[in-house]
Amino acid sequence: GAVVSQHPSWVICKSGTSVKIECRSLDFQATTMFWYRQFPKQSLMLMATSNEGSKATYEQGVEKDKFLINHASLTLSTLTVTSAHPEDSSFYICSAIAGGLDTQYFGPGTRLTVL
Amino acid sequence: QKEVEQNSGPLSVPEGAIASLNCTYSDRGSQSFFWYRQYSGKSPELIMFIYSNGDKEDGRFTAQLNKASQYVSLLIRDSQPSDSATYLCAVKPGANSKLTFGKGITLSVRP
Repeated sequence: GAVVSQHPSWVICKSGTSVKIECRSLDFQATTMFWYRQFPKQSLMLMATSNEGSKATYEQGVEKDKFLINHASLTLSTLTVTSAHPEDSSFYICSAIAGGLDTQYFGPGTRLTVL
Repeated sequence: QKEVEQNSGPLSVPEGAIASLNCTYSDRGSQSFFWYRQYSGKSPELIMFIYSNGDKEDGRFTAQLNKASQYVSLLIRDSQPSDSATYLCAVKPGANSKLTFGKGITLSVRP
């Protein structure tokens, strides 16, 4: 199966700082990537759809100015949480699909803790 | 609103038994169906996908799809304690479109 990596796997930061999370497709080119957030014991929540070379499409209620997404290449998408606050502490997971595949593969996730 | 419903759970089965996980969906135009397994604290891992009506088998796992009834299920034969996890049903209308997830059902396999 396709492999998706994320970096970092965990991060602790102070309130008010910005954090960048990288999502890479390692053995395929991903025209579309997705960013999810998951709070403890809750369902996955789709935040945005990231398409290579174009602006991300955000789900309703997700602040695009707070969660900046850049999909600059066919193997890399980044999510930047700007001016993070404790309520942004969560498990952030990306997934990727390729043009010829119909399957989403998930990265291992990034656990963000904002103090 | 397109919805994916899963049994409320949790589901507990003894080791060696068959675990049956069920899922219904509301969008009749859905074309692709997926089952993911998520261990606590980890990200979802793809177990199976199915596109056509009928059964699809992969080792101890069998996915069943009935588009007329808008129903997809996952059977786990010879359940093992290592199968204890949350299982997510996901549906999407076409290629390169976003998944709609069910809330998941937690399976516990008792030794």
